[in-house]
Amino acid sequence: AQKITQTQPGMFVQEKEAVTLDCTYDTSDQSYGLFWYKQPSSGEMIFLIYQGSYDEQNATEGRYSLNFQKARKSANLVISASQLGDSAMYFCAMRMGMDTGNQFYFGTGTSLTVIP
Amino acid sequence: KAGVTQTPRYLIKTRGQQVTLSCSPISGHRSVSWYQQTPGQGLQFLFEYFSETQRNKGNFPGRFSGRQFSNSRSEMNVSTLELGDSALYLCASLEGLAGGPGELFFGEGSRLTVL
Repeated sequence: AQKITQTQPGMFVQEKEAVTLDCTYDTSDQSYGLFWYKQPSSGEMIFLIYQGSYDEQNATEGRYSLNFQKARKSANLVISASQLGDSAMYFCAMRMGMDTGNQFYFGTGTSLTVIP
Repeated sequence: KAGVTQTPRYLIKTRGQQVTLSCSPISGHRSVSWYQQTPGQGLQFLFEYFSETQRNKGNFPGRFSGRQFSNSRSEMNVSTLELGDSALYLCASLEGLAGGPGELFFGEGSRLTVL
């Protein structure tokens, strides 16, 4: 069963507008971490933001914020004031088994295109 | 601090051959994991090594194997290559402190093409 689901294969956003990329997850663990990564066409994976399952506040990192709704098991990424350089693939990931190892599950990604 | 280094960056093999990919993690990072990325499938977890021990393994056949050396460098090997093994293989490292937050730091990947 999919542990991370990203239902938007592709998204378009106008430059300077905000965009939300959806992510839902599935786990019965109490302790887990949620991450978002950006992968430009060059291929490298760039860490954007992290949310721990016990964190009560939504994580923010500059123009990135994570809308964490634990009861709904969603961890949506919000990018404010989109820039052309934001065009990339975005992956949601969950880290589980934090006491016994580092196993990450990734979604299939959302391709974001920023339109000038 | 140098990032995660993967070699080779690109390689072409034929069916039935075997391949070895190498990964040098960030200095001080003891956990190294490997992922296979194919279009439409996202990143699939292969295995994770910590202090030379395989700690987690994904759902891949036994043709996929790996190891980690005492200096934390890791190699993965794929034997009897199949066309479906064509993919970008990503290595990632982190400090490996269990129970704490910590993001993966990725290398640029090794792009394998099987003909």
